[in-house]
Amino acid sequence: QVHLEEAGGGVVQPGKSLRLSCVASGFSFRNYALHWIRQAPGKGLEWVAVISYDGSQKYTAESVKGRFTISKDNSKKTLYLQMNNLRSEDTAVYYCAREAESVGDQYFQHWGQGTLVTVSS
Amino acid sequence: DIQLTQSPSTLSASVGDRVTITCRASQSISRWVAWYQQKAGKVPKVLIAKASILENGVPSRFSGSGSGTTFTLTISSLQPDDFATYYCQQFNSYPYSFGQGTKLEIK
Repeated sequence: QVHLEEAGGGVVQPGKSLRLSCVASGFSFRNYALHWIRQAPGKGLEWVAVISYDGSQKYTAESVKGRFTISKDNSKKTLYLQMNNLRSEDTAVYYCAREAESVGDQYFQHWGQGTLVTVSS
Repeated sequence: DIQLTQSPSTLSASVGDRVTITCRASQSISRWVAWYQQKAGKVPKVLIAKASILENGVPSRFSGSGSGTTFTLTISSLQPDDFATYYCQQFNSYPYSFGQGTKLEIK
């Protein structure tokens, strides 16, 4: 079955960088767009970024634009989120998510367990 | 950008009650809305897609309706397992967005 597993979270100082990864299994990785979604402690869900199935199209939320970069390596079945110039407000659990099967069904049918990023001095 | 506003933010109800949560979009999003349930410390789970289509395995007491700018999630008869936080999400256009959430509490 579909499985997504994030890694790379941890405690980092403001202004530093961190790269998250999400390893996928159980489906044809190269055929799906993938997303990053985050949730600050005690807060709601915030969409962060998406990358198309072939990596040719990327969109990011305004709150992270210019600082976060999404990428994927189809050969490794891995999604990445490069986070630079981190701020305290980036502290959150970061989830990777896959869209549903059908074309146009771009909601989040499958989620990883999340990885916690804490930005603190 | 499309903003989603859920109401109420908190809802107190009892087992067996019928409850409705509303999600309003700042502009028309056709039926490109999904609803998620999140229990404390857990990963969100999709309940309904495209405004009214129940995901496989989701109990039939959950239903969704609406189009354009106003959408609702209804639970026909609350069960103990349903007390959680619910989010709507639009996938009409980027940047995707979520409502702020509705916490469903036991009365």
